[in-house]
Amino acid sequence: DAGVIQSPRHEVTEMGQEVTLRCKPISGHNSLFWYRQTMMRGLELLIYFNNNVPIDDSGMPEDRFSAKMPNASFSTLKIQPSEPRDSAVYFCASSLKRGPYEQYFGPGTRLTVT
Amino acid sequence: AQSVSQHNHHVILSEAASLELGCNYSYGGTVNLFWYVQYPGQHLQLLLKYFSGDPLVKGIKGFEAEFIKSKFSFNLRKPSVQWSDTAEYFCAVNEEGGFKTIFGAGTRLFVKA
Repeated sequence: DAGVIQSPRHEVTEMGQEVTLRCKPISGHNSLFWYRQTMMRGLELLIYFNNNVPIDDSGMPEDRFSAKMPNASFSTLKIQPSEPRDSAVYFCASSLKRGPYEQYFGPGTRLTVT
Repeated sequence: AQSVSQHNHHVILSEAASLELGCNYSYGGTVNLFWYVQYPGQHLQLLLKYFSGDPLVKGIKGFEAEFIKSKFSFNLRKPSVQWSDTAEYFCAVNEEGGFKTIFGAGTRLFVKA
């Protein structure tokens, strides 16, 4: 299995631009999570989906952030407009909704907003 | 609400020293417990997990953790650390049947060669 796939791995953009991060979960997993990691705030859960439905988006910092999961094999996290304080590593993770629910993390997208 | 507390934010050890990282959680029901490791520049990987059975769980690379239900604790241990164990370690808790996993703030371990 290829594991969780994220793209791009690195993104550098200017303030005000739209940024779209992509995630392909492990085939057969039905829960998907988006996290943000910074030195100051650590690992923060932004949103999670179960069976493509958003369950809890209370971690999404502002209306500038949105996430979608149009099907079981693809999810996007969009920031529009982006700001320098959005600079972070964004991780996607997936899990099965049965058993111990361990999460499998993708390699992350390092976002830099200048 | 559930929470996970990791007692040490930074730990510095010399090679061959023993390691114990503390983790406490707040939830009275049945839980699944995890330790994840993040090596420098990499993503989080599962180190070990507990969901039932023997409360002493053995994971990869010589790590183990003990679930003490009465203390709401799941401490991570390794008898002899190596330089390659330098990483950030996250304790995590998932309510049985729940969607959401709560992560602790992480403990950064630096092992001096």
